[in-house]
Amino acid sequence: GAVVSQHPSRVICKSGTSVKIECRSLDFQATTMFWYRQFPKQSLMLMATSNEGSKATYEQGVEKDKFLINHASLTLSTLTVTSAHPEDSSFYICSAAPGVSNQPQHFGDGTRLSIL
Amino acid sequence: SQKIEQNSEALNIQEGKTATLTCNYTNYSPAYLQWYRQDPGRGPVFLLLIRENEKEKRKERLKVTFDTTLKQSLFHITASQPADSATYLCALDEGAAGNKLTFGGGTRVLVKP
Repeated sequence: GAVVSQHPSRVICKSGTSVKIECRSLDFQATTMFWYRQFPKQSLMLMATSNEGSKATYEQGVEKDKFLINHASLTLSTLTVTSAHPEDSSFYICSAAPGVSNQPQHFGDGTRLSIL
Repeated sequence: SQKIEQNSEALNIQEGKTATLTCNYTNYSPAYLQWYRQDPGRGPVFLLLIRENEKEKRKERLKVTFDTTLKQSLFHITASQPADSATYLCALDEGAAGNKLTFGGGTRVLVKP
């Protein structure tokens, strides 16, 4: 199946640090990438939809200045959590899709972010 | 309001038996419904997709049904094995451009040998 690589898998850093997470589609061109956040024992909550070469579309309640998304190529999207605070600690997961309905999303293995 | 509901309680099942999971939705009109498996600390893995005009879909030991009248999907794991232990997520795709998915809360399945 399609492979999506997410890096880093785990980050522990101090409050106020900005953290960048990369999501790469290794074997197909991902027109669309999605960024999710997952709290323990809860489901995935969509944060934003990222289309190559255009601005990301953020879900209601997600601060676009806090969570910067860049989708510069068909194989790479990045999420930067700016000036992270303890409440930003969570499991962040990306997925990639060809941008057509009727197709599954292919997920990375997530990034565990812990802000001290 | 829109809701996607899956059994939040874990499903404990004996090896070899069939596990049946439910996904009920309210105020959605999904064109497609997908099921994913998620292991602890990992991203979800796609299992099956079923269209609104399909009643049933099978893949190996997995079977999914989709009833748009009842607004429900059932997910069956037959001849369950301990390796099937995981959380199973249903996700709705309303068919808008870009195949945005909305996930249910997931049901944890534990298959005991």
